[in-house]
Amino acid sequence: AQTVTQSQPEMSVQEAETVTLSCTYDTSENNYYLFWYKQPPSRQMILVIRQEAYKQQNATENRFSVNFQKAAKSFSLKISDSQLGDTAMYFCAFMKDTGGGNKLTFGTGTQLKVEL
Amino acid sequence: ETGVTQTPRHLVMGMTNKKSLKCEQHLGHNAMYWYKQSAKKPLELMFVYNFKEQTENNSVPSRFSPECPNSSHLFLHLHTLQPEDSALYLCASSVGAYSYEQYFGPGTRLTVT
Repeated sequence: AQTVTQSQPEMSVQEAETVTLSCTYDTSENNYYLFWYKQPPSRQMILVIRQEAYKQQNATENRFSVNFQKAAKSFSLKISDSQLGDTAMYFCAFMKDTGGGNKLTFGTGTQLKVEL
Repeated sequence: ETGVTQTPRHLVMGMTNKKSLKCEQHLGHNAMYWYKQSAKKPLELMFVYNFKEQTENNSVPSRFSPECPNSSHLFLHLHTLQPEDSALYLCASSVGAYSYEQYFGPGTRLTVT
C-alpha cells in the first residue's frame, strides 16, 4: 500500500515571500502520478499541480513549482511571491499508473497561512 | 452553477435521524466519488461510481448508503449515524474512474449529535 506523509501540519509565510511545503511518499511502483491539491477555507479543493513520475523535469504552474526527487521519494511544493489568496490547506496525493482502478492516496495536509 | 455542487453545505442530525447528501456535477464526467475528511486525517475514499455502477466500497459501514441514479448525480443516504461520523463529506467527479484529475465539490459539513 502507498502512503503519503506531510510532516508540516502548519506553516506561515509573509506576503511576497517564498515557501516550500514538504511531502514524502512510499511506494514500490515505478510509474505513478503525484499531485498537490489546495483547499481554501470553506471553498472547493482544486488541483494545483501534477507530476508524472516518468518525467524528469519538474512541473511548474505560474507561481507554483515542485521539486520531484524520485529516488528520495520526495515531492515538495514551492510557492513563489506568496499571496493572501494562497492561504489554504494543501494536500499532497499519489496515484499509481496502472491503467485504471487506481485510487488517490492523500497526505494529512499542511495548513498554510499567508500573512501581511 | 458550474463544476461540482453539494447540498446541503451544513447538516446537523441526531443519531436516530435519516438524511441524505446530494452531489451534482455539471462537467459531463462519468465517475463520481464520496470522500470523508476528518481533522488531522488523510481524506478517506468511501465509494466510487463509474457510469452509474459502484466500483468501490472502501469497507464503509452500512449506515452510509450511496445512490447514483445517473452519471451527474450522487447521493449519500445516512441513517443511525454515530458521533464519530461527524466530518466534512466531499464529492468529486472525473472523466473516468480514477482519472488522475478529480474535481471536488465544496463539501457538506456533517455534525452528528
